[in-house]
Amino acid sequence: NAGVMQNPRHLVRRRGQEARLRCSPMKGHSHVYWYRQLPEEGLKFMVYLQKENIIDESGMPKERFSAEFPKEGPSILRIQQVVRGDSAAYFCASSPGLDQPQHFGDGTRLSIL
Amino acid sequence: DQQVKQNSPSLSVQEGRISILNCDYTNSMFDYFLWYKKYPAEGPTFLISISSIKDKNEDGRFTVFLNKSAKHLSLHIVPSQPGDSAVYFCAASNYGGSQGNLIFGKGTKLSVKP
Repeated sequence: NAGVMQNPRHLVRRRGQEARLRCSPMKGHSHVYWYRQLPEEGLKFMVYLQKENIIDESGMPKERFSAEFPKEGPSILRIQQVVRGDSAAYFCASSPGLDQPQHFGDGTRLSIL
Repeated sequence: DQQVKQNSPSLSVQEGRISILNCDYTNSMFDYFLWYKKYPAEGPTFLISISSIKDKNEDGRFTVFLNKSAKHLSLHIVPSQPGDSAVYFCAASNYGGSQGNLIFGKGTKLSVKP
């Protein structure tokens, strides 16, 4: 039973480029969450999605960041015109329901040159 | 304003002894609490959770205690093993308010010495 799959594991971008992070939830999980972790910090919530719907995006910056979870395929976190401050580990989690434990992928480490 | 606090950045215990990791929270609306373990370069791994209607939940070597009046929870690991060495995160949520997001503490690094 595969866990939450994130790719790529490492992503290097130059300032101004776009970054696309992918997340395939565990089988049977329809709730997807994205978190960001800065060095020496805990994980910070960004966005919560169910199939084709954004449920809560209160933790996501209003500009340059977007997320989707289409009917078919993985969830995508997109960061446009990246800046140095976007360098972080981005984790995706999934759960079968709102009140069920979230299970995390191994993250994408984004580095901005 | 940090709603979930883990005031000890690190903890060192001897193999076989008890490890106690602490977590405090400020938001009385939190009704579900979780502990995760994280190794470097990996994602957090779910360990154990507790609903606010309980004050204790046990799973093997792991026990979580919740004191709602003090807004405090703790994770007990007994006996501790060297493989338990990792960073432990406490997380909280308000599921009753349909809040799907978890609020994490900054973590406590546990070192279990053989």
